[in-house]
Amino acid sequence: GIQVEQSPPDLILQEGANSTLRCNFSDSVNNLQWFHQNPWGQLINLFYIPSGTKQNGRLSATTVATERYSLLYISSSQTTDSGVYFCAVVLSMDTGRRALTFGSGTRLQVQP
Amino acid sequence: DGGITQSPKYLFRKEGQNVTLSCEQNLNHDAMYWYRQDPGQGLRLIYYSQIVNDFQKGDIAEGYSVSREKKESFPLTVTSAQKNPTAFYLCATPWPRGDGYTFGSGTRLTVV
Repeated sequence: GIQVEQSPPDLILQEGANSTLRCNFSDSVNNLQWFHQNPWGQLINLFYIPSGTKQNGRLSATTVATERYSLLYISSSQTTDSGVYFCAVVLSMDTGRRALTFGSGTRLQVQP
Repeated sequence: DGGITQSPKYLFRKEGQNVTLSCEQNLNHDAMYWYRQDPGQGLRLIYYSQIVNDFQKGDIAEGYSVSREKKESFPLTVTSAQKNPTAFYLCATPWPRGDGYTFGSGTRLTVV
C-alpha cells in the first residue's frame, strides 16, 4: 500500500520561531490533508491541498504532486501550536473508498 | 452545531468482554469511518461505510465489527478476538466535496 512518511518525528521550538514539516508519499494522490491533533486528541483540518500552495494566517502549505511531497510551514510559532501534525492522503486510484491513509505525524512542542 | 459525537470518552474493558463504542453524526453525511490510533502513531482504518446498510473492512478489521442501520449512527464493537484493544478510537466523516473531514473527539479504550 501507499507509504506516507513525515519528518521530523519530533520538533521543539522556542515561541516565535519558524518551522517546516515535510510529508513524502509513495503514489499518486488526489487528496492530501494536513491535520493538527491537540493534546486532548481532537483532530482539526488545516489544509486540503492535493497540489499548489495555500495560506491561512501563520500557516501555509505547499504540495508538489509530481515529486510526491508536501510541506507545512508554521511561522512565528505560539505555544498553542503544540500538538501532533498529521499528513494524510487518498490514492488517486482509490476513488471508491475515499479513506485517508495517515503518516505517523510530527510531534511539535513550542516552549514559551 | 453539526458534528460527530462519540461516547463514552473513556472505556475500560475486562479481558474476554465485548464493548461497543458509539458514533453519531448530525451532518446528514453518507460516509463514516472508524480509525484506531496507538501512542506515537498515525491513524489506521478499521472499517468504513459509504452508505447506510453497507460497510467494508479497512486495513485492521480483525477483532472488530460494525453496523450501519441508520444514516446517523455507526457503532463499533471491539470483540474478545481483538488481542490488543487498548487504543484511542476516532470516528470520522468526509465532507461531501471531499476537501475536509470531521472527526469526533474520540474514545480511549483500556483493557484492565
